[in-house]
Amino acid sequence: GAVVSQHPSRVICKSGTSVKIECRSLDFQATTMFWYRQFPKQSLMLMATSNEGSKATYEQGVEKDKFLINHASLTLSTLTVTSAHPEDSSFYICSAPPSGGVRNIQYFGAGTRLSVL
Amino acid sequence: GDSVTQMEGPVTLSEEAFLTINCTYTATGYPSLFWYVQYPGEGLQLLLKATKADDKGSNKGFEATYRKETTSFHLEKGSVQVSDSAVYFCALSMGFGNEKLTFGTGTRLTIIP
Repeated sequence: GAVVSQHPSRVICKSGTSVKIECRSLDFQATTMFWYRQFPKQSLMLMATSNEGSKATYEQGVEKDKFLINHASLTLSTLTVTSAHPEDSSFYICSAPPSGGVRNIQYFGAGTRLSVL
Repeated sequence: GDSVTQMEGPVTLSEEAFLTINCTYTATGYPSLFWYVQYPGEGLQLLLKATKADDKGSNKGFEATYRKETTSFHLEKGSVQVSDSAVYFCALSMGFGNEKLTFGTGTRLTIIP
C-alpha cells in the first residue's frame, strides 16, 4: 500500500535550536499534506495544511513564524520548528491524501517525537 | 467547533473477549466518521469508515455504525486477538476523508493471551 515516510522518528535538541521534520510520500503525489501535533493524553490537533506551490494554511493559535512549512514538491513537505523551546516538545505527525480526488484516503507518517531540553 | 470524544484508556482485555470503544462527536453538519489504528512504530492506518447515517463500517472483524440520533460511532469486535493490540483513534471529517481530520484522544488497547 501507499507509504508516507516521516523523518526523523525521534529528535532531541537543545533549547533555541531549529529542527526540521520531513514528510515524504513514497509512491504517490500529494498536493496537500497535513501536519498534526499530539501532546500526552490529548488528541492529535491539526497545526497546518501544507499546499504545494502556495503558502501553508495555519490553524488558529499556531505561530506561522515558529512552525515553518515548505511544500517543496508533490512528494515532500517539511516542518521546521524554529528556536525550539521545551514547550514545543510533542509528537508531530504528517498525513497526505493522494492527489486525484480519491475519497476517504489519507496516509500517515509514523510520527516524530521531539524533545527539547 | 467540531470535536470527538473518545473513551479513555488504556484498555486491557483477555484474548477472545468482546471489545467496545466508545466514540461520540459534535459537528455542525454531517461528517464522515472514521476509526484509525496505530500499531507500534507505524503510522495511523484507516481501519473503517462511514460517510452517512446508519452506515456500518467494517474491517478485520471490527465494526462501527454511524448513529446520527446519538452522535456516536462506537467501535466493536466480538473476539479480540493479541495482534489487535494498538492505539485506536476515532475521527471525523467534514469532507470525504481526504480533508483535515478532527481526532479523539486515542485509546490504547492491550490484549493479553
